[in-house]
Formats: sequence, C-alpha cells, structure tokens
Amino acid sequence: KQEVTQIPAALSVPEGENLVLNCSFTDSAIYNLQWFRQDPGKGLTSLLLIQSSQREQTSGRLNASLDKSSGRSTLYIAASQPGDSATYLCAAQHGGATNKLIFGTGTLLAVQP
Amino acid sequence: EAGVAQSPRYKIIEKRQSVAFWCNPISGHATLYWYQQILGQGPKLLIQFQNNGVVDDSQLPKDRFSAERLKGVDSTLKIQPAKLEDSAVYLCASRDFQETQYFGPGTRLLVL
Repeated sequence: KQEVTQIPAALSVPEGENLVLNCSFTDSAIYNLQWFRQDPGKGLTSLLLIQSSQREQTSGRLNASLDKSSGRSTLYIAASQPGDSATYLCAAQHGGATNKLIFGTGTLLAVQP
Repeated sequence: EAGVAQSPRYKIIEKRQSVAFWCNPISGHATLYWYQQILGQGPKLLIQFQNNGVVDDSQLPKDRFSAERLKGVDSTLKIQPAKLEDSAVYLCASRDFQETQYFGPGTRLLVL
C-alpha cells in the first residue's frame, strides 16, 4: 500500500529565500509524481508532473526532482515571494485503470514580506 | 475555458441528515473524481468515473455514501445519513486524455 509523507508540515521563510519541500513515498512503482498547490478555501492547482522515467521538471521558479530508487521527490522554490504562501501537496500516481493519486498531508508554506 | 464547477460551496447539517453535492466537470473530460479532504490531511479518493461508469469506488463508504454521473457529464455525491466524521471538504476533479487532474473549489461540509 502506497504511503506518501511530506516534511516539514509547516515552514515560514522570509521573502527572497530559496526553499525545498520534501516528499517521500513507500512504493517506488509509480507512474508519475505530481506537485499541487492549495490556497485557503480553494481547490488544488497542478504545478508540476514528473513522469517515472524523468528526473526533474521545471516551471518558472519551481523545480521538482524525482528519485524513484530512494522514494523521494523535492520541490525547490527559488526567490520565494509572499504570493507563494499556500499548502503544497505531492501525490504519487500508479498506472492501471484507475490512475489513482495518493496524496501526502501537505506542507503549509508562509513567506513573510 | 471554464473550470470544474461545484455547488454548494458550504453546507452545515446535523448528524443523521442527508446532503448532496454537485459537480460539473470541464467540458469533454471523460474522467471524473470525488475526493474527501479532512482538515490537515491530503485528499483521499472516494470514487472515480470513466464517462458514466464507475472505475474505482473501493474507498467509498457504501453504507452511507452514493454517487452517480448522469449521461457521463455532471455528477452528484450523496451522504445519507451523515456522521460527525464526514465533516470535510469534498473535491471534484476531472481529467482528459492527459495525466493532469483539474480540481474544483470544493464543498465544505460541517456536520453538527
């Protein structure tokens, strides 16, 4: 059974700092690993999707890496801004008919101006 | 392009009452998901539809929860009777042939 864990649960940083969010998963037979952002009272927004054959994906100031052998993924945010404040969730997806996403519990990020 | 629509946005009911949530996915998306997100946790899949057929409902508490997707478009999720532990945000998502799921804003349910 896949279990996804995110560390830390909460993080507060000053504006402009670079930061790393961590995600670990127990079953390395994943199809892909996805990172989402959730703002208070809103749904989830997809940030990055890393296929199992890939090592990393980049979008603007965001870079996500994937190491299947160690069961880990990281989300790197460069030059953080107050607008980056949100909960960040990672999710492991397995193949097959359901393509089910197994989510971690999230990291609550606060970027102080 | 319009996103995933959900209603109502908020609902407060007493335990043992019934409640229904509605979801309208992105036009053309064949796959629709319902998730339950309890405070402080990540979303948990309740049920997945492919068009109007159920693909996975292994984590749906079928003694009290039911869902349907009429004509492979809109979907409703019902809880009857509700329990205190059903207090959560219920998220609907849809997906096309790509892997990305698009989420609605969710319905916040509080059971008193």
